[in-house]
Amino acid sequence: NAGVMQNPRHLVRRRGQEARLRCSPMKGHSHVYWYRQLPEEGLKFMVYLQKENIIDESGMPKERFSAEFPKEGPSILRIQQVVRGDSAAYFCASSPNRDSPQQFFGPGTRLTVL
Amino acid sequence: KNEVEQSPQNLTAQEGEFITINCSYSVGISALHWLQQHPGGGIVSLFMLSSGKKKHGRLIATINIQEKHSSLHITASHPRDSAVYICAVGGDNNDMRFGAGTRLTVKP
Repeated sequence: NAGVMQNPRHLVRRRGQEARLRCSPMKGHSHVYWYRQLPEEGLKFMVYLQKENIIDESGMPKERFSAEFPKEGPSILRIQQVVRGDSAAYFCASSPNRDSPQQFFGPGTRLTVL
Repeated sequence: KNEVEQSPQNLTAQEGEFITINCSYSVGISALHWLQQHPGGGIVSLFMLSSGKKKHGRLIATINIQEKHSSLHITASHPRDSAVYICAVGGDNNDMRFGAGTRLTVKP
């Protein structure tokens, strides 16, 4: 039973480009959380998704950032027109349902914006 | 003031020492989590607590709901325990709010 998978593990983008980060939850998990860890800072909640629904996006910047979790396929965190300040580690975590608070983390995607 | 406060920020110990990391929170929670982040960056969930005490190997986690306080203890510490330990609280949506982390270094 594979754990949470994220790809790519490392992503380099130039300012103004788009970054797409993918997260495949554990088998049987239908809830996905995205977190961001800025350099030398703690983790911060970004968005919580269920299949085909955004449940809570209160931690996500209003501009340039979007997230989806389609019926089929991985969850995608999309950052348009990246800036240097977007350089961070982006982690996703999954849980089987809302009543199960334990989350299982992926290895993270390290985004570097040049 | 952060919703989740951890102390200490940094901790250096000699192998074999008993270690305590503290976490205080100021919001209502559905559960409290202790996470471990290794130098490579990967995050592992150590404990999830809503009351009382849990033990796993040399690790013990306790929570006092009335005082909004939790502690993580490591007995007989070992250099491989060196990592950042993060306290996080789960809200209504189970989205986590994180402490800043405690960087533990255990010297042989």
